Amino acid sequence: DTEVTQTPKHLVMGMTNKKSLKCEQHMGHRAMYWYKQKAKKPPELMFVYSYEKLSINESVPSRFSPECPNSSLLNLHLHALQPEDSALYLCASSSPPAFRDTQYFGPGTRLTVL
Amino acid sequence: RKEVEQDPGPFNVPEGATVAFNCTYSNSASQSFFWYRQDCRKEPKLLMSVYSSGNEDGRFTAQLNRASQYISLLIRDSKLSDSATYLCVVNGEDSNYQLIWGAGTKLIIKP
Repeated sequence: DTEVTQTPKHLVMGMTNKKSLKCEQHMGHRAMYWYKQKAKKPPELMFVYSYEKLSINESVPSRFSPECPNSSLLNLHLHALQPEDSALYLCASSSPPAFRDTQYFGPGTRLTVL
Repeated sequence: RKEVEQDPGPFNVPEGATVAFNCTYSNSASQSFFWYRQDCRKEPKLLMSVYSSGNEDGRFTAQLNRASQYISLLIRDSKLSDSATYLCVVNGEDSNYQLIWGAGTKLIIKP
């Protein structure tokens, strides 16, 4: 099973809302990632979890809060977002050391902030 | 200079033709190289990892030139379904987990 699942597929939220994006993989991967992708741009890395510990935070604003409850799950909590945060949010996973291994992506959550 | 550079295209190619893309990278210490394919409004999917000796998968051939710091992707007998954006990806120098993405090359196969 080489699948990463993400929910929801689409999310529309106001700037005062609190919402969460969820990601799950059952490939036994120990590295999980959140990326943000704007239209016609490559994915931008936001966070990396390795063995359930946050190992990279690419200077992401605190209105984005990641959480890794266990080795299969990754959440991204959203609060007080701005319209410019509207984008496709992609989750990925891989087996460390990641630079030698493929990152498998989920289908993404398309987020619109009003 | 961008760390990973690609021609954004679009490349408009007739069905059945051969098309090639190059991608240059700036970090000579990079060890891992990938081509990902991304369809419109979909997630990136791995097309090929690129090995030092080059590798082939059906109609797709990837090559690595370390001396000139570029990787290439060749698509033979192109199909309409090959229309997509092709992203060149190289591992970053600061972290084992960081991948540096090119901006992508858009390919349009015309009937």
